[in-house]
Amino acid sequence: QSALTQPRSVSGSPGQSVTISCTGGTIDIGTYNRVSWYQQHPGKAPKLMIYEVTKRPSGVPDRFSGSTSGNTASLTISGLQAEDEADYYCCSHVGMHVGMHTWVFGGGTKLTVL
Amino acid sequence: EVQLVESGGGLVQPGGSLKLSCAASGFAFTTYPMNWVRQAPGKGLEWVSNIRNVSENKMHYADSVRGRFTVSRDDAKSSVFLEMSGLRAEDTAIYYCAGDYGYAFEMWGQGTMVTVSS
Repeated sequence: QSALTQPRSVSGSPGQSVTISCTGGTIDIGTYNRVSWYQQHPGKAPKLMIYEVTKRPSGVPDRFSGSTSGNTASLTISGLQAEDEADYYCCSHVGMHVGMHTWVFGGGTKLTVL
Repeated sequence: EVQLVESGGGLVQPGGSLKLSCAASGFAFTTYPMNWVRQAPGKGLEWVSNIRNVSENKMHYADSVRGRFTVSRDDAKSSVFLEMSGLRAEDTAIYYCAGDYGYAFEMWGQGTMVTVSS
């Protein structure tokens, strides 16, 4: 069982927006603000899409955005495109003590573009 | 071009050992903490281990591997390693090498498959 809970699947039509949620159970997402999101196409390595809740790495379209509310982080993809169909994982850095570096992933969400 | 290339995966019997390697190029390796993340067949991602850069010289492990896996790095060769012992069937996975920045995994290799089976 993952410490971060994601819906197993979401879907949307091209041009629409979808939001994937990520809820911290024992992990206090709101306190750490160290949430990242990854896109993974079948047979490929994951790709960083969002880091530190809202920041986008260079090259990631601004259609991808992140946010938090309380203990839930969200990834919103607007203007859905066929190539957005993939698995998406949230992840939180967890540093219970100063100098500790561990991470926990959500179980993943399969995005289907209808 | 940033590249991370993993190697060393293969088939190993339960209780056996294996050493994975990850060769890095195209970025300032010595300044980056490095990680191993794994993915069991058909399953999600699981963070395994982190090694800080030379100035911090610390290693961190997931509970599932602590005491069995050891991470190390050779900055002169721009490489990071994962020595795995006491392997179990549940360690079967693709193992990815990943560099972290801003508490996130910025760059990833293509992975190497480890299969633990008799």
